[in-house]
Amino acid sequence: GNSVTQMEGPVTLSEEAFLTINCTYTATGYPSLFWYVQYPGEGLQLLLKATKADDKGSNKGFEATYRKETTSFHLEKGSVQVSDSAVYFCALKGSSGDKLTFGTGTRLAVRP
Amino acid sequence: SQTIHQWPATLVQPVGSPLSLECTVEGTSNPNLYWYRQAAGRGLQLLFYSVGIGQISSEVPQNLSASRPQDRQFILSSKKLLLSDSGFYLCAWSVPGTRWNSPLHFGNGTRLTVT
Repeated sequence: GNSVTQMEGPVTLSEEAFLTINCTYTATGYPSLFWYVQYPGEGLQLLLKATKADDKGSNKGFEATYRKETTSFHLEKGSVQVSDSAVYFCALKGSSGDKLTFGTGTRLAVRP
Repeated sequence: SQTIHQWPATLVQPVGSPLSLECTVEGTSNPNLYWYRQAAGRGLQLLFYSVGIGQISSEVPQNLSASRPQDRQFILSSKKLLLSDSGFYLCAWSVPGTRWNSPLHFGNGTRLTVT
């Protein structure tokens, strides 16, 4: 079946540091890939998505590239802010299209 | 635009009591609807999803059930809560059909504590 593996957290960075959160997946066919962000006490918000190989999703300074050869979708940001502190979830939707499979989430804490 | 509402935001219930969490979506017709649970320090687990009124798929056998009495209403229930039912419950919707590239849109969640 489909699965998503994310790097273990928490990740603690200083403001303006470079961020990478690793995500790899296992799926048959050609899934769509997503990153969601969850701020404390809130639901999940869609951050970005990519629907085919070599697509780059981007939003709010975050980027992730769909790498089919390495089955990866790593999240990056060049300069994090304190307001980026949250839990980030990688997810995929398989070709059946009926449900989303999530990774376990990575907590990011950014220090001023 | 579409909006999703979940309530209550927080709930404290004793073991053995019943549960009813409600979710409604506005601004779209025949959405796919989902219930996820997020246990403390863990990822998201899909509990139920529905592609139409009265159509419920269960992902994990447990003492919870779901119903969809109206097109845009999704209810999560239990007859008798267990301590292990504590967690953060999230409702979500997506566009109708099985479009593989459409994201899910989440409500703000209900934090349930079973004591």
